[in-house]
Amino acid sequence: AQSVTQLGSHVSVSEGALVLLRCNYSSSVPPYLFWYVQYPNQGLQLLLKYTTGATLVKGINGFEAEFKKSETSFHLTKPSAHMSDAAEYFCAVSDEAAGRRALTFGSGTRLQVQP
Amino acid sequence: KAGVTQTPRYLIKTRGQQVTLSCSPISGHRSVSWYQQTPGQGLQFLFEYFSETQRNKGNFPGRFSGRQFSNSRSEMNVSTLELGDSALYLCASSSSQGGTTDTQYFGPGTRLTVL
Repeated sequence: AQSVTQLGSHVSVSEGALVLLRCNYSSSVPPYLFWYVQYPNQGLQLLLKYTTGATLVKGINGFEAEFKKSETSFHLTKPSAHMSDAAEYFCAVSDEAAGRRALTFGSGTRLQVQP
Repeated sequence: KAGVTQTPRYLIKTRGQQVTLSCSPISGHRSVSWYQQTPGQGLQFLFEYFSETQRNKGNFPGRFSGRQFSNSRSEMNVSTLELGDSALYLCASSSSQGGTTDTQYFGPGTRLTVL
């Protein structure tokens, strides 16, 4: 089965600093990878996804992620943090290749942005 | 276009009762998935429906069931509630003619508390 590991349950950055949220996956087949964001008392919003093609994926709100097969990683970055980025972020992998249309999520990383 | 709606937003039940949650997908979307989110277990896939048929099921006991209607609206039911069923239940819809590369759009969730 595929799995996702998010390193760091809490990350704190200063406003204007680089945001780096780490995600590693395990998969025996080429994965489909996603990053979602969840604001308090809300559902999940898709930031970006990787399926095939270009390994650097750009998403909404200035976020991007790079698929690195050799490192089995899909880290999320943003050059300059904004106060509004404070939220919980989830990395996910699809189980499509295993025949299941479902997302397997990491445990999440809560991002704090300090003024 | 209206997003995914879930009703009710909050529910309080007691152990042993049953509960029904409702999800209306984005207009035109035929796939509806359900996820359970808890602090301990994180986000876990419950099941997915497409054109009134359950296509996939997660690893949950038979007390958890669902259905989908001809208008793509979906309900999930939990019978004989246990304290551990307290969670945020998220519904997601996608057009899903293909696989999970189709973006899943999440609703705001139903917060279930079991006393």
